[in-house]
Amino acid sequence: DQQVKQNSPSLSVQEGRISILNCDYTNSMFDYFLWYKKYPAEGPTFLISISSIKDKNEDGRFTVFLNKSAKHLSLHIVPSQPGDSAVYFCAASDTGGGNKLTFGTGTQLKVEL
Amino acid sequence: GAGVSQSPSNKVTEKGKDVELRCDPISGHTALYWYRQSLGQGLEFLIYFQGNSAPDKSGLPSDRFSAERTGGSVSTLTIQRTQQEDSAVYLCASSPATSETQYFGPGTRLLVL
Repeated sequence: DQQVKQNSPSLSVQEGRISILNCDYTNSMFDYFLWYKKYPAEGPTFLISISSIKDKNEDGRFTVFLNKSAKHLSLHIVPSQPGDSAVYFCAASDTGGGNKLTFGTGTQLKVEL
Repeated sequence: GAGVSQSPSNKVTEKGKDVELRCDPISGHTALYWYRQSLGQGLEFLIYFQGNSAPDKSGLPSDRFSAERTGGSVSTLTIQRTQQEDSAVYLCASSPATSETQYFGPGTRLLVL
């Protein structure tokens, strides 16, 4: 039972354009959401997070949007840069039940010149 | 400062052997997590330590898997009688007690022949 889903295994975007990565979840107990970025042969690197009490969080070129009623979140990267090419994982946790993260299967982003 | 470190970075073993994987969390982080990523899959939670509390072992796939955390710092994940399906990248993460953000190490790539 996949509680966090990233339905697009890959995404290709031109440099300078916006990248939009999507994530859906099914567990209504999730109240904290994170995005991690992963390069080959490295561990995931924390990118940005959002609490369920908010619907938007922005950090530089990265913005995460949360739609609780739709159980959907998205990560916007603008402008996209070639160095953003990586696998992006969406993760969620129920902070009242411990902080163990449930991850999606990832989206491979490729930013082309 | 120093991040989460893991050793070995790669481990090849024969089916039926035992393996031990080590994690050194970020200094001062009281929470420590183990995850694994099988080929083409997202990260799967295994076990979670928080301070002196009993660990949350709900993600361990079988009784061949165990983990301990000595002195509230270093953790060892042990897999007994390894099977081919245990082949995966094993990732360790740590977080401060008051924060939900988990910081990952580079992982140990385990291959069971």
